[in-house]
Parts: sequence; C-alpha cells; structure tokens
Amino acid sequence: SVLLYQKPNRDICQSGTSLKIQCVADSQVVSMFWYQQFQEQSLMLMATANEGSEATYESGFTKDKFPISRPNLTFSTLTVNNARPGDSSIYFCSSRPAETLYFGSGTRLTVL
Amino acid sequence: GDSVTQTEGPVTVSESESLIINCTYSATSIAYPNLFWYVRYPGEGLQLLLKVITAGQKGSSRGFEATYNKETTSFHLQKASVQESDSAVYYCALGAQGTGSKLSFGKGAKLTVSP
Repeated sequence: SVLLYQKPNRDICQSGTSLKIQCVADSQVVSMFWYQQFQEQSLMLMATANEGSEATYESGFTKDKFPISRPNLTFSTLTVNNARPGDSSIYFCSSRPAETLYFGSGTRLTVL
Repeated sequence: GDSVTQTEGPVTVSESESLIINCTYSATSIAYPNLFWYVRYPGEGLQLLLKVITAGQKGSSRGFEATYNKETTSFHLQKASVQESDSAVYYCALGAQGTGSKLSFGKGAKLTVSP
C-alpha cells in the first residue's frame, strides 16, 4: 500500500489567480494520477504523471490550465491556472502501486 | 469507452435492513477488467472497500459482498444487515490490470442508514 498526503485540504481563491496542490507519497510510486470531482458527480481522471516526463492529459484537461510536475517518485504538484468558479471541485491525487488505487484525502477548491 | 453505471443516491435504509447498490460496467477496451468498490466516510478520503480481479469471484469486506458477474457485466454491492456506521458514499470502479492503469468510476451512491 501507499499513503498519499495532500495539501492544502481546502482553499478559497479569487477568479483569475493560480494555486498549487501538493501530493506526497510515503514510498516511491511509478505513476501518480490526478482526479477531479464535482459535487455528487463521478471522479474524472485529469492526468497521469510519471517521473521525469510530461504528464499525459485526458480529454477536456490541458497542460496550460492544469500543469502538473513530477520531479521525483514521491512527489507531484497540480497547479490550477487562471482559476474560475467552474473549477470549484475536489481534487485528488492517487497512485496504484499494485492492483489497488490509493487516494489522498483531497483538496476542496472554491473559486470566488 | 469504459464506463460504470451505478445506483445513484441518496439511498436510505433502516438499521439492520439489507442493502443492494447496483453497478454495471462496460469494458470495451479492457480484456480482463478489475472491479472495485470504494467508500468515502464523512470527513474522510476515498478508501478501498473491496476488489475482485477475476470473473466469477466474490469479494467481501466489513460485511459487504460483491460478485464479479461477466455474463451480466455487473458487480452489485450487498450487505445483509447495515449499521448506522455504514453511512457513506459508495463508488463502483473498473480498470485494467496493472499499476499504471487508470480507474473509471461511477457517480457514487450516498447511503444513509437511519437508526
């Protein structure tokens, strides 16, 4: 298993600003995934991040809007650029070191 | 694409009653999908409840059970007698085998167990 620590737990920001969400794993993991979840909706995979390479984005998510860094095997950062009220949701980092997908506790973002 | 359709909440059940939360899947790009139930208790993050990676097998945890039925493409979650502490949001998910593979999630079913 792996433990994923995410911070901040929640954030409130103004439209047009940028914010960073950090995810730290307690052991080395090859892939980290970032998910977005709007209230009472499914978790949507945003991107997959492997160490030392560009993140791979799913349809509807772009590098310009949601740049992701993965500098080593235990760390990843998701940035939300030019935040809009429509970005208000919960963001989760996750990893799948074996068959099970493990999640961070999530970051609840509110954009005013 | 690959997708999951599940009972959408809210689901309200009285304590000690039985529960079933339906889940069906479509795995067009995955030859041998793995199936999962995740749970989020109030104030906590998502955690795995149970998983089954082989068709025909049953997974169980904390009194919950789910059988991987390839014929009906279903993975329904059942419990014979729920407790108030089972109140949470339950998500069905599927994914390919392998550590780098993403999971596709259902929308979640919010279960409220009344005393």
